Amino acid sequence: NAGVTQTPKFQVLKTGQSMTLQCAQDMNHEYMSWYRQDPGMGLRLIHYSVGAGITDQGEVPNGYNVSRSTTEDFPLRLLSAAPSQTSVYFCASSYSQGRTDTQYFGPGTRLTVL
Amino acid sequence: GQQVMQIPQYQHVQEGEDFTTYCNSSTTLSNIQWYKQRPGGHPVFLIQLVKSGEVKKQKRLTFQFGEAKKNSSLHITATQTTDVGTYFCAGTEGYSTLTFGKGTMLLVSP
Repeated sequence: NAGVTQTPKFQVLKTGQSMTLQCAQDMNHEYMSWYRQDPGMGLRLIHYSVGAGITDQGEVPNGYNVSRSTTEDFPLRLLSAAPSQTSVYFCASSYSQGRTDTQYFGPGTRLTVL
Repeated sequence: GQQVMQIPQYQHVQEGEDFTTYCNSSTTLSNIQWYKQRPGGHPVFLIQLVKSGEVKKQKRLTFQFGEAKKNSSLHITATQTTDVGTYFCAGTEGYSTLTFGKGTMLLVSP
């Protein structure tokens, strides 16, 4: 199993550009989530999904969209990039509940917005 | 919203010294998880505690969940350079999503 994969590994955007961060898992996990990690801020939840077709907002959802059309994929879309979105983005998945199951993290995408 | 506080933010020890990081919540937690993130890497699950007063050990690592389920600790005995990284706790209150602490960065000098 590849586990949780994320693409791209690195990305530089200009302010106002849009892009999609890809996340896929091959463990048949129901629960998937996106976090951003900033220095000294820990991991903050952006959006999460408890299954295909179901998504919900986390702690810091503004400026981001998600969709979950399949169990495997959970892309994160930046609608109009801003410098405040410069961060490391981690996708995670877990078997079911998410809050009581082991979270498996992807390798991360390091995003810089100029 | 739910907050999970973690202290210290940073600790630098000599190899062989012990290390402890603490996690505190203002509310009662349903469970607490601990993760380790190596520099440049991604968080990796270490353990989950569910019961009041629970203590679990993994080799040199000892994890505790407080009696009131509002605090937890991770203790590393005789640190090694391979222990370098940031340790995160993450807790859940009721049916809320998992909330991560800000982490404790551990640096170990040989």
